[in-house]
Amino acid sequence: DTGVSQNPRHKITKRGQNVTFRCDPISEHNRLYWYRQTLGQGPEFLTYFQNEAQLEKSRLLSDRFSAERPKGSFSTLEIQRTEQGDSAMYLCASSYPTGTGRTEAFFGQGTRLTVV
Amino acid sequence: AQTVTQSQPEMSVQEAETVTLSCTYDTSESDYYLFWYKQPPSRQMILVIRQEAYKQQNATENRFSVNFQKAAKSFSLKISDSQLGDAAMYFCAQETSGSRLTFGEGTQLTVNP
Repeated sequence: DTGVSQNPRHKITKRGQNVTFRCDPISEHNRLYWYRQTLGQGPEFLTYFQNEAQLEKSRLLSDRFSAERPKGSFSTLEIQRTEQGDSAMYLCASSYPTGTGRTEAFFGQGTRLTVV
Repeated sequence: AQTVTQSQPEMSVQEAETVTLSCTYDTSESDYYLFWYKQPPSRQMILVIRQEAYKQQNATENRFSVNFQKAAKSFSLKISDSQLGDAAMYFCAQETSGSRLTFGEGTQLTVNP
């Protein structure tokens, strides 16, 4: 296992279509995060899982967005009825909490979504 | 709400020289972590250095070091002996509750040969 893997790397879709992205975390990591990054900005938190439980969702995550992590392994992020404003880089990260409760997050290369 | 501010959208440095990137943050928590991440063009974000808020000693990783001023809520990154490979977008980030990160806007670093 060489790191966090995200697929696809690039996705171009027409407005109104649904898209789904996949993230495979580092195998021993039980925490998984989704962030969105627009051009020239820092990543913004969307949601986070500990094992299969979705523990927190940002207000940025509208009803058109849904994320799952079945069996606490890989995760999917689905966007329904895409809008041009959804165009961004979607980053996945994973981490494993140590005894102190904190650990660094390892990021994938991201999925770049373009809505036309 | 947690906020992280990077006031330098762009910085440049000559190869082999030293550069300092600034970051300020705001939090009501007493125990937290701070990070600097590097994002090269079209490549994934990688951790450069981390600082635990309860530690007074500034973190150091080879050519990278931080100046952590807890009372001032300041967390700057110093890169010594800059190399061409250091060119990237640098993000300051703070770990908030639940271990999610709050990022600054980023500083684009250019290294001139």
